[in-house]
Amino acid sequence: EDKVVQSPLSLVVHEGDTVTLNCSYEVTNFRSLLWYKQEKKAPTFLFMLTSSGIEKKSGRLSSILDKKELFSILNITATQTGDSAIYLCAVGGYTGTASKLTFGTGTRLQVTL
Amino acid sequence: NAGVTQTPKFQVLKTGQSMTLQCAQDMNHEYMSWYRQDPGMGLRLIHYSVGAGITDQGEVPNGYNVSRSTTEDFPLRLLSAAPSQTSVYFCASSYDRVNEKLFFGSGTQLSVL
Repeated sequence: EDKVVQSPLSLVVHEGDTVTLNCSYEVTNFRSLLWYKQEKKAPTFLFMLTSSGIEKKSGRLSSILDKKELFSILNITATQTGDSAIYLCAVGGYTGTASKLTFGTGTRLQVTL
Repeated sequence: NAGVTQTPKFQVLKTGQSMTLQCAQDMNHEYMSWYRQDPGMGLRLIHYSVGAGITDQGEVPNGYNVSRSTTEDFPLRLLSAAPSQTSVYFCASSYDRVNEKLFFGSGTQLSVL
């Protein structure tokens, strides 16, 4: 059974701090790992990683994948209150008919002033 | 550009009632799916479709039916609602069956009393 585990479950930081969110996985026929940000309702896409060791960056957010050790990290530098959200990690595996995403339970990040 | 549109946003049902959650996308996406999100469980796949006329079961399909008569629409039917179906439901689409980047609708908060 495919499994995605995120840690920590939640954390509270002060504005300006740097945070690292973790995602480990066990997935059959791995194709990709995705990070989503969920604020009020709909998850919004952040990154998709398919190759080991290549860092993806978007502003203060960055992510890297280690396919040998089966994990990914999401870094957020100089955090802002607008970064407060649930961050979801999902891993894509091919079922034979389609790719299927397995989601972790998420990390709830709260950024305080 | 509307993206993925879900209706209704909120719904309260009594046990045994039936209803249909609507989902439409205007991106000409081949792949559409339904997820439910419960506290501590992450997003779980209910049903998915890789094109008009083609549907398949996900991880938690019991109690739900789907059909895909057009590329744009993918309704989810609850046949006889149960309290265990109280959840937040998300419709999501992607370009095709092997593209894991999902675009999510805004969700439906469903309560079954």
